[in-house]
Amino acid sequence: KNEVEQSPQNLTAQEGEFITINCSYSVGISALHWLQQHPGGGIVSLFMLSSGKKKHGRLIATINIQEKHSSLHITASHPRDSAVYICAVRSEATSGTYKYIFGTGTRLKVLA
Amino acid sequence: GAVVSQHPSRVICKSGTSVKIECRSLDFQATTMFWYRQFPKKSLMLMATSNEGSKATYEQGVEKDKFLINHASLTLSTLTVTSAHPEDSSFYICSATDGRYYGYTFGSGTRLTVV
Repeated sequence: KNEVEQSPQNLTAQEGEFITINCSYSVGISALHWLQQHPGGGIVSLFMLSSGKKKHGRLIATINIQEKHSSLHITASHPRDSAVYICAVRSEATSGTYKYIFGTGTRLKVLA
Repeated sequence: GAVVSQHPSRVICKSGTSVKIECRSLDFQATTMFWYRQFPKKSLMLMATSNEGSKATYEQGVEKDKFLINHASLTLSTLTVTSAHPEDSSFYICSATDGRYYGYTFGSGTRLTVV
């Protein structure tokens, strides 16, 4: 079992729909990131969370530390939101520094 | 702010040759840089963590002699794929942090094809 699990793996939605992507993790973390990867490979960091909720435009990210779960919501989805969304957790590495563990990503396609 | 430039974006090389990929922080001092590899339709895999001025820390299973990482300055880290083989073909991406915050910035990635 992966230390970071995302669901669903693939998601197709109609323009305007409310979208939720889930991330569950099994390790201790100090932060969780939501990333967006475009078809060309470029990656954008959307949110960094350690508790609570953050909102940026149509995107909302929440985290429940006790339940080891985070969600990314997209309101009023648009075809330009089509991308792979990746959950990444920051945990302590063996060298004493930190490292990131990545989920396998959720491939979102929003149809016009 | 917090821009990371990665070059080249695409490279094709012959088997047996070496390829160098550069990762530069343009407007901040990157005390720590990370190198990742991504196979098609797979998640990112952390290869190594490099702190400026010291040897990189490689993840289990990553060959140190094959993937040479240098982080000689606070704005530049390089990944050299030595004696490349077709199985090294992949998408390589770096990220960097100045260590003061938990956030980090990704480069745009390099698609390596070994023929």
